[in-house]
Amino acid sequence: DGGITQSPKYLFRKEGQNVTLSCEQNLNHDAMYWYRQDPGQGLRLIYYSQIVNDFQKGDIAEGYSVSREKKESFPLTVTSAQKNPTAFYLCASSPRDSMNTEAFFGQGTRLTVV
Amino acid sequence: AQSVTQLDSQVPVFEEAPVELRCNYSSSVSVYLFWYVQYPNQGLQLLLKYLSGSTLVKGINGFEAEFNKSQTSFHLRKPSVHISDTAEYFCAVSVPFSGGYNKLIFGAGTRLAVHP
Repeated sequence: DGGITQSPKYLFRKEGQNVTLSCEQNLNHDAMYWYRQDPGQGLRLIYYSQIVNDFQKGDIAEGYSVSREKKESFPLTVTSAQKNPTAFYLCASSPRDSMNTEAFFGQGTRLTVV
Repeated sequence: AQSVTQLDSQVPVFEEAPVELRCNYSSSVSVYLFWYVQYPNQGLQLLLKYLSGSTLVKGINGFEAEFNKSQTSFHLRKPSVHISDTAEYFCAVSVPFSGGYNKLIFGAGTRLAVHP
């Protein structure tokens, strides 16, 4: 089945540590996105990538980094510079045909700083 | 700037009653509108979308939404809800940003709680 796989589902991190969230898609989509979800704030865009080896900052990129070495993969690293990393992180992808396409979402990773 | 406002953060309703979840948007360009549903600790699933044509859009699970350009609204409705509809619902607008790709701007979400 085609889809987006995020791993792990739950992740715990000690303060001061970097952690990487995995996102893989087999939908052959060009565009991939990372969103952060906090209660009562909806989803906010962290980074997006339109093509391999290219990515742009979204609305809340500080303290995060990404890479796009393969079309299928778009990992997100939460660095120690992110002051409040505890949140639910969602990865999404969309095809490159027009701007009215929907985004397909993974099941999310819940990150907790302990 | 584009934005999406969901007017109710929580909507409690009894089972088999009708429900409306309200969404207003602001955009200076033509918009494409979406409603997504999120069950606890899961990703978002598309309920329905408006791209063009008929302003009444039907989606999955018996939901429908009406696009009203003059009122810049895209309210979600269901004539009779079930316990299983309890979830968080997000309204989103798709706008262009670069290279022919879209960017989704989300509302803050409405938590629908269906009670027996």
